[in-house]
Amino acid sequence: DTGVSQNPRHKITKRGQNVTFRCDPISEHNRLYWYRQTLGQGPEFLTYFQNEAQLEKSRLLSDRFSAERPKGSFSTLEIQRTEQGDSAMYLCASSFSESYEQYFGPGTRLTVT
Amino acid sequence: GNSVTQMEGPVTLSEEAFLTINCTYTATGYPSLFWYVQYPGEGLQLLLKATKADDKGSNKGFEATYRKETTSFHLEKGSVQVSDSAVYFCAPGGGATNKLIFGTGTLLAVQP
Repeated sequence: DTGVSQNPRHKITKRGQNVTFRCDPISEHNRLYWYRQTLGQGPEFLTYFQNEAQLEKSRLLSDRFSAERPKGSFSTLEIQRTEQGDSAMYLCASSFSESYEQYFGPGTRLTVT
Repeated sequence: GNSVTQMEGPVTLSEEAFLTINCTYTATGYPSLFWYVQYPGEGLQLLLKATKADDKGSNKGFEATYRKETTSFHLEKGSVQVSDSAVYFCAPGGGATNKLIFGTGTLLAVQP
């Protein structure tokens, strides 16, 4: 069991650039979540996948954000035309349908300059 | 939607002191309830959970009881250690997606 992994761990980008993050969930976990955490705050839900289907998106997720999980395994989160307000830790979590526990990855820290 | 209120930190205690971190929630229906912990420089780890009223979750000496009547899930530990220093998050989850709603977190600092 390798746990949830995320890449890259850190990303520094200039405002206006596009960035893409990857999440590899625990194998056989069919549920996958993305959250965002800013300094001093708790994580906020962004979006949820069951297998390859994206079933819920937060209103926090503007049109510049898109997420995919093409084969129901790994997921990507893309941010287009980044803004300084996008600077945060982006967290991925996974779980079984039959279980309530979500297991988190180490996160990708995004800094937009 | 669901929401959660945690006691504000930082909470500073001496080693072996008793710990309580208060957590209350509002929710539609009966959510599952979780405490997560974030140690310095590390990711979020599940500490304990309770999935129905009157359930008690426990792990590493920490306990919390699902109180439906008071919509609370307070975290307790009888004797804290320096290694318990971390940020603690209360989070109800629920609905079809079981997305988690996190509080702002409570920083616990345990001094030797």
